Order: sequence, then structure tokens, then C-alpha cells
Amino acid sequence: DAGVIQSPRHEVTEMGQEVTLRCKPISGHDYLFWYRQTMMRGLELLIYFNNNVPIDDSGMPEDRFSAKMPNASFSTLKIQPSEPRDSAVYFCASSLEGAVETQYFGPGTRLLVL
Amino acid sequence: AQSVAQPEDQVNVAEGNPLTVKCTYSVSGNPYLFWYVQYPNRGLQFLLKYITGDNLVKGSYGFEAEFNKSQTSFHLKKPSALVSDSALYFCAVRDMAAAGNKLTFGGGTRVLVKP
Repeated sequence: DAGVIQSPRHEVTEMGQEVTLRCKPISGHDYLFWYRQTMMRGLELLIYFNNNVPIDDSGMPEDRFSAKMPNASFSTLKIQPSEPRDSAVYFCASSLEGAVETQYFGPGTRLLVL
Repeated sequence: AQSVAQPEDQVNVAEGNPLTVKCTYSVSGNPYLFWYVQYPNRGLQFLLKYITGDNLVKGSYGFEAEFNKSQTSFHLKKPSALVSDSALYFCAVRDMAAAGNKLTFGGGTRVLVKP
């Protein structure tokens, strides 16, 4: 298995632009998680899905952030409009159904908003 | 609510010496506990987890962790550290009593193993 796939790996954009991050979970996994990692705040859970349905989006910072999962093999995290404080590494992770299942992380997207 | 504390931002150890990375947790019910490692410019990689049973859990790359319920701790250990173990280590917890499948991560501990 190729593992969790994220694209792009790096993104540089200007403030005010729309940014779309993409994730392909491991085939057969029922859960998908979006995290953000910064030096100041560490690793934060933004949102997670179960069977393509958002379960908990309490970590989404504000309305500029949105996430979708149109099918079991694809999810997007969108920031519109982007701001410099959104600069971070964004990780996607997936896991099987079950409370004790391990989450498998993608390589991350490093976002820089100028 | 569930939370995790990693009291040390950085741990320095000489190669060949034992390595310990500390983690304490807080949950309402019983915990599921995890350790992950992150190498530079990479995503987190799973090391080991405690679900139930034996308090000593063995994982990847020679790491192990000991669950201590009375001290609410889950410290990560390796008997003999390698330079290649230098990385960022995260402890995570999930409350068995909580709905959903959400992990809470600690702030991470940077390990530096010197030759």
C-alpha cells in the first residue's frame, strides 16, 4: 500500500488567495483526520470524518477553513482567504474503524502564506 | 476531557545510553495510549500503543513503554539509544469512555542523541 498521500507537498501563496490541500487515505480506512502543526501550537486536530461524514470539526479555527470528503478515497481542506498565520504543516491521517486502531499519517503539506 | 503532558521539550542523551521520554495523561475513564515519532520533514510514524493487558508494551525500533495507572504515566524507553533515534516524539491518548475516535497529542519532545 502506498500509505496516505497528500498533495501538494509544498505550497507558497499570497495572503488572500485560496488554498486547497488534498488527501488520499489508505484504501479501506474508515476514518480520516486533518491536523495542523506549528511551532507555537504543536499538533492540532482540525476535523475528522467517519465514512465520509464529518464527525468533529471543533478544531477548525474559523470560517475561512472548510473540509470535504466527497468519497472514501479523497478529502480536501480549503482555506479561503488565506492569511500569513495559516502558515503551518498540514497532515492528513487515516485509520480503520475502531477506537484502538492506529492512525497512519501522510507526509504533510508545508504551507507558507506570504 | 482528555489531555497529555510531555514535560520535557528536549532530551539529550549519548549514543549507547538509555533513553526515556516522559508522558503523563488525564482521562475520565481508562486510556488508550500511543507513541509516535516524527523525523525531519516527515509525517508521524506509529511506534507502539497500550490498549489493555501487560503494562510493558514493546514497539518498533527497540522502543518500549510502560503504562503506570497510579502515576497516570506512559513513559517511552529504549535501553541503548542510537544517533538515528534523534527525532520528535509524541505521546497521544484516547479516553475509552469518550465517543468518537479522537486522539489528543502532547506537545512533543525533541530527542537528540549525540555520538
